[in-house]
Amino acid sequence: QSALTQPRSVSGSPGQSVTISCTGTSSDVGGYNYVSWYQQHPGKAPKLMIYDVSKRPSGVPDRFSGSKSGNTASLTISGLQAEDEADYYCCSYAGSYVYVFGTGTKVTVL
Amino acid sequence: QVQLQESGPGLVKPSGTLSLTCAVSGGSISSSNWWSWVRQPPGKGLEWIGEIYHSGSTNYNPSLKSRVTISVDKSKNQFSLKLSSVTAADTAVYYCARAPSTMANAFDIWGQGTMVTVSS
Repeated sequence: QSALTQPRSVSGSPGQSVTISCTGTSSDVGGYNYVSWYQQHPGKAPKLMIYDVSKRPSGVPDRFSGSKSGNTASLTISGLQAEDEADYYCCSYAGSYVYVFGTGTKVTVL
Repeated sequence: QVQLQESGPGLVKPSGTLSLTCAVSGGSISSSNWWSWVRQPPGKGLEWIGEIYHSGSTNYNPSLKSRVTISVDKSKNQFSLKLSSVTAADTAVYYCARAPSTMANAFDIWGQGTMVTVSS
């Protein structure tokens, strides 16, 4: 399994919206509705933000939303805030009880 | 509130075996969850290593399968990772994580991570 492809970086001003893409294949992202997204601040463990493509765990702000079309999943952060500056990783079930992560995207709040 | 804590040597010699343990507190390892290991080389992305259920059933990343063993010790409420024949490429922060039955394909709780360096 190859890593899912994410843009290296995205940026936006406070209050704006940014969208991070996560491109895989029909064997992972496109084949299952099991895409999750993680936020990671420097030196910290990842934090689950979205699971099953578009579901938010308790405590995650509704500014974070997920979607999927074909082999590409997306994470949108609306109303960007300073604390949203972090690295974001997608992850997909890839069949045969295997998971694959994305390459990671650095979100910068201008 | 379930918490996970990794422990083990921070330095492993090349060709040796990396051994880490993840202690589960605030809950039972025998609950309906899968328990995973994930690693992150310095400055790079996350890589899923494998997972175990309390029954002992395991699943591994095909790229690491020949070198990985994950085991569970229910009496100590912990699970472990062994990675053999290590090289510098195995230098990384190693995390343990939980995939709960309610969201079986996502990792909702993570340990703080432990840095392992492979060097002579």
